[in-house]
Amino acid sequence: DAKTTQPTSMDCAEGRAANLPCNHSTISGNEYVYWYRQIHSQGPQYIIHGLKNNETNEMASLIITEDRKSSTLILPHATLRDTAVYYCIVRVGSDTNAGKSTFGDGTTLTVKP
Amino acid sequence: DVKVTQSSRYLVKRTGEKVFLECVQDMDHENMFWYRQDPGLGLRLIYFSYDVKMKEKGDIPEGYSVSREKKERFSLILESASTNQTSMYLCASSFVAGLEQYFGPGTRLTVT
Repeated sequence: DAKTTQPTSMDCAEGRAANLPCNHSTISGNEYVYWYRQIHSQGPQYIIHGLKNNETNEMASLIITEDRKSSTLILPHATLRDTAVYYCIVRVGSDTNAGKSTFGDGTTLTVKP
Repeated sequence: DVKVTQSSRYLVKRTGEKVFLECVQDMDHENMFWYRQDPGLGLRLIYFSYDVKMKEKGDIPEGYSVSREKKERFSLILESASTNQTSMYLCASSFVAGLEQYFGPGTRLTVT
């Protein structure tokens, strides 16, 4: 699985959009980009994933560059409850590999009032 | 909503004890996983199972074993607990075809 690089920490004002970048320059054609977050003292929570098209769900939007070497997770209107560690993971889409890639240190997002 | 539950939120055990951590999911998922999470090391995969009675080693299986006798239940066993196994243990499950994992709340294990 490709390695990812994320900033260690970011701040965002409440109500503003939070844009979390992730670099995955060695991504392969069959690897998906996944985002999870972990709120303090809880297990990680799935947010969104994509292969090459941009994706949106009720939680966030995922923008993947055309060359797929980087992506951005967008929380459109951040709230204090979005303060968490955000993990970007690149993973091959097959059962035998599902879950084998480890989560790195992620980005600690702090939403401030 | 998918629910993954773990038997304990906090556990304190002594060195040498046999420790059982249990995980139950209610969404008929084929895949189940055990991770440990340590500061500076992220989440590391211990074992996973893609079917009943099937298991595969993850990145750090040493000192651990697992059991999956029923589809909804995946147990992590520390045969002889050691202090370096003090950690947060997280269980997760996923569908066969999809790769979104759903995590339990975690068990913080302290071995003294």
